[in-house]
Amino acid sequence: GAVVSQHPSWVICKSGTSVKIECRSLDFQATTMFWYRQFPKQSLMLMATSNEGSKATYEQGVEKDKFLINHASLTLSTLTVTSAHPEDSSFYICSASAPLGTDTQYFGPGTRLTVL
Amino acid sequence: KQEVTQIPAALSVPEGENLVLNCSFTDSAIYNLQWFRQDPGKGLTSLLLIQSSQREQTSGRLNASLDKSSGRSTLYIAASQPGDSATYLCAPNTGKLIFGQGTTLQVKP
Repeated sequence: GAVVSQHPSWVICKSGTSVKIECRSLDFQATTMFWYRQFPKQSLMLMATSNEGSKATYEQGVEKDKFLINHASLTLSTLTVTSAHPEDSSFYICSASAPLGTDTQYFGPGTRLTVL
Repeated sequence: KQEVTQIPAALSVPEGENLVLNCSFTDSAIYNLQWFRQDPGKGLTSLLLIQSSQREQTSGRLNASLDKSSGRSTLYIAASQPGDSATYLCAPNTGKLIFGQGTTLQVKP
């Protein structure tokens, strides 16, 4: 149980385009979802925390207008990288937890974004 | 602000050795702490989760301890194998996980 999926697993796009990444909890209801970014040879950095039905809370230094997060249901959260640029190329990983956000986080397999 | 430090940053050992990976964190007001494994280019695999009220957790050859008051956790790997080669990350949970930089382990056959 407690499986989290991400789609796509990898994506290549042109500079200036927008990319949407989906994160789904397959067998449980995720009241809280988290989005992380990992640059090569670095650790995971938390970008934002989202609770179902409310606005995401962004970490310091993360542009909320560039990284749009929607958590419209208890099983789906999306991250949209708007007007992507090469410096946005990274490994994006989501996680999901229930019920309070302080419980175990279950991680998705990640999405590799390359912006040309 | 939670800061997490993992020592050593890298470790290379022959097969069969017992290993200790260290993690320290500055904010001891945690709900739990998780240890993860990450293979190159892959996502995270959860290894162990220790609740704040617990002192240790064991899973197979892995044993993790937690000293919440001093802000320390250790991951003990017994009888290491080449398949254990990966980066190991610790992440204390204060409502959100903050990751250390990891310890990259190489176990040589």
